[in-house]
Amino acid sequence: DGGITQSPKYLFRKEGQNVTLSCEQNLNHDAMYWYRQDPGQGLRLIYYSQIVNDFQKGDIAEGYSVSREKKESFPLTVTSAQKNPTAFYLCASSIIRADPNTGELFFGEGSRLTVL
Amino acid sequence: AQSVTQLDSQVPVFEEAPVELRCNYSSSVSVYLFWYVQYPNQGLQLLLKYLSGSTLVKGINGFEAEFNKSQTSFHLRKPSVHISDTAEYFCAVSDPGGSYIPTFGRGTSLIVHP
Repeated sequence: DGGITQSPKYLFRKEGQNVTLSCEQNLNHDAMYWYRQDPGQGLRLIYYSQIVNDFQKGDIAEGYSVSREKKESFPLTVTSAQKNPTAFYLCASSIIRADPNTGELFFGEGSRLTVL
Repeated sequence: AQSVTQLDSQVPVFEEAPVELRCNYSSSVSVYLFWYVQYPNQGLQLLLKYLSGSTLVKGINGFEAEFNKSQTSFHLRKPSVHISDTAEYFCAVSDPGGSYIPTFGRGTSLIVHP
């Protein structure tokens, strides 16, 4: 079945450590996204990528980094510079070479990061 | 840029009662509108979407929504809820004439009591 796989589901890290969250999709979608979710704040866009080897900052990119070396993969690194990293992280993808391009997103199951 | 307001952060309701979750967006230009549902510790899944045509949109699990251009609203309704409908619901809007990336509301937590 086609879909988006995020791993790990749960992750604990100590302050000062970098951590990388994996996101893989087999939907052949062009665009991929990372969102951060905190209670009562909805979804906030961290980074997005429309094409391999290119990505753009979203609304809250500070303290995060991404890469897009393959169409299927869009890993997110939460660096030690991120001041409040404990959150639920969601990866999504979409088709952009469509008419119309509606912005409909397909989501993974999420990764919950807790900084101790 | 678009903004989305979900007027209720939490909606408690008894099983088999009707429910309406409210969503308003900022711009009166042409838009695409979505409702997503999120069960605890899971990702979001699409409930329904409005792209064009009929203003009443039917989705999965018995939900429907009505697009009202003059009110810039896209309220979600279900005539009779079940315990299993307990979840977080997100309204989202994208602009066909601009960025395809949707803007999300802050979410409404639907709590269905037995």
